[in-house]
Amino acid sequence: AQRVTQPEKLLSVFKGAPVELKCNYSYSGSPELFWYVQYSRQRLQLLLRHISRESIKGFTADLNKGETSFHLKKPFAQEEDSAMYYCRRRGSQGNLIFGKGTKLSVKP
Amino acid sequence: GAVVSQHPSRVICKSGTSVKIECRSLDFQATTMFWYRQFPKQSLMLMATSNEGSKATYEQGVEKDKFLINHASLTLSTLTVTSAHPEDSSFYICSASWGAHPGTEAFFGQGTRLTVV
Repeated sequence: AQRVTQPEKLLSVFKGAPVELKCNYSYSGSPELFWYVQYSRQRLQLLLRHISRESIKGFTADLNKGETSFHLKKPFAQEEDSAMYYCRRRGSQGNLIFGKGTKLSVKP
Repeated sequence: GAVVSQHPSRVICKSGTSVKIECRSLDFQATTMFWYRQFPKQSLMLMATSNEGSKATYEQGVEKDKFLINHASLTLSTLTVTSAHPEDSSFYICSASWGAHPGTEAFFGQGTRLTVV
């Protein structure tokens, strides 16, 4: 079965520290991968897509096919980055699969 | 960004009754809408995909007769939980998309908290 694994339920860092939210996927040709963010009391929203290679709010994510990973990184975390982060992939059948999410807490 | 609105945001119903949840795309035409269910402390689980004017495609394990989906227009999809039971209590979220690759760019509703008593 195609899977998306986010191994950490909770990640806590101090403001200004680097942050890496891990995401691993089960191998399947050329996956399409995304990161979504949900701030407290707000709706889920798209953060970035691997195909666009963009940097949003200082976050970047590189697709590593060798390690089947799509980790989300930011060099200097801010308090406003505290949120739930979901990794998501589009499967070979076109289906959409979410990871279980990682709660990022950035402490002052 | 595009706005997707769900209504109601919270609903409490008695066991055995049916509940309808609406999902509207407010400023764009959504060719495809998705319905998700989220259990506490778990990820979103895709329930079904609906394309305007056609029958919804349900994920494995989701009862189509229990979760009725209607996508009658490009701006409205509805999810009806029929004969609701306490185990149907959950957070239901819809998303809407357009274009050649539905789901690759999706905008989410704020979710509906259903409690069946």
